[in-house]
Amino acid sequence: QQQVKQSPQSLIVQKGGISIINCAYENTAFDYFPWYQQFPGKGPALLIAIRPDVSEKKEGRFTISFNKSAKQFSLHIMDSQPGDSATYFCAASRGSSASKIIFGSGTRLSIRP
Amino acid sequence: KAGVTQTPRYLIKTRGQQVTLSCSPISGHRSVSWYQQTPGQGLQFLFEYFSETQRNKGNFPGRFSGRQFSNSRSEMNVSTLELGDSALYLCASSSLTRGGSYNEQFFGPGTRLTVL
Repeated sequence: QQQVKQSPQSLIVQKGGISIINCAYENTAFDYFPWYQQFPGKGPALLIAIRPDVSEKKEGRFTISFNKSAKQFSLHIMDSQPGDSATYFCAASRGSSASKIIFGSGTRLSIRP
Repeated sequence: KAGVTQTPRYLIKTRGQQVTLSCSPISGHRSVSWYQQTPGQGLQFLFEYFSETQRNKGNFPGRFSGRQFSNSRSEMNVSTLELGDSALYLCASSSLTRGGSYNEQFFGPGTRLTVL
């Protein structure tokens, strides 16, 4: 019930293509769904986040699609660039405590030039 | 604003030793959390501190402990190190206020601990 399942584990996309990473959750009490981007040697950084009252949020080339009935959400990176190569983590949280944040297992994205 | 800083960045210890890691949050942030990141287990929550009080603790043995000081800086300590403690230890701070809704967590670069 507390898991967030993320797929794929790794992804290779050509430059200019669309990268899609998917996550699924079970606990309907989750009320905040962030995506984090982590470069080697760095800590994760918040990329974009969504609350369950909206179905889509777009920030530049990054879009979160949220399907509440299916308990799934995904990250779309349009016009993927080599600089987007990083590990991406989805997460789901309930309330204000950091202890309530459940992270996905991560997706290592490589953008080929 | 300066980001979250962690020291040291890299640490090599041997089994049985103890280690102390330090975290300085973003100025004005009173909430600090610690995570362990490993390839196999991903990001796992260790502790959360707010105004010098431990709010929550993750499912880790008592060898893992932490504290927060009045200036919001935090330390975590691992005693009697085991090989399995090798990991990237991340600290995150947020501007969370007690009773508030979820706020963005800002992560530091982490301390890479290797136990030999």
